[in-house]
Amino acid sequence: KQEVTQIPAALSVPEGENLVLNCSFTDSAIYNLQWFRQDPGKGLTSLLLIQSSQREQTSGRLNASLDKSSGRSTLYIAASQPGDSATYLCAVTLDYGQNFVFGPGTRLSVLP
Amino acid sequence: GAVVSQHPSRVICKSGTSVKIECRSLDFQATTMFWYRQFPKQSLMLMATSNEGSKATYEQGVEKDKFLINHASLTLSTLTVTSAHPEDSSFYICSAHGTFNYGYTFGSGTRLTVV
Repeated sequence: KQEVTQIPAALSVPEGENLVLNCSFTDSAIYNLQWFRQDPGKGLTSLLLIQSSQREQTSGRLNASLDKSSGRSTLYIAASQPGDSATYLCAVTLDYGQNFVFGPGTRLSVLP
Repeated sequence: GAVVSQHPSRVICKSGTSVKIECRSLDFQATTMFWYRQFPKQSLMLMATSNEGSKATYEQGVEKDKFLINHASLTLSTLTVTSAHPEDSSFYICSAHGTFNYGYTFGSGTRLTVV
């Protein structure tokens, strides 16, 4: 059974810092991995989708890498801003059209 | 882009009543709909998977007679929480997978509070 973990569970940083969020999954035979953002009481915002054949994806200040063989992904946030404060979720699918398995999330707080 | 409209966004109901949550795919055909729930300070957990025209498949521990899922068309799936109890209070969110690409589209979620 696929399990997804995320470290750290919570993170508080001053504005402007670069930071790394970590995600690990137990079954390396994933189809894709996706990073989401969730604001309190809200739904999900998709940040970056990495196909199993890809090593990384970038969007603005965000960069996500995937090391499928070791079962790890990292989300790098450059020059963090207070508006980045949210919970960041990592999720994987095992095959085309299958459900996501979510990690527990990292609660990020960026202090002004 | 692909959009899934989920309603209602918030609902408060009395214990023992039923609540229906709708997810509509607005510009694509959702062949598969996934229903997740999220308890406070926890992550999203898959409840059930439904394919258009077929019976839903429920995850272990999810009562199929309590959480009725209907996916009668390629653009509409509903989740009905029957005889709701306070412990059913949670955030419910749907995710549609269609034929448009390899991605998924999430609804905006429904916050259910049972009093």
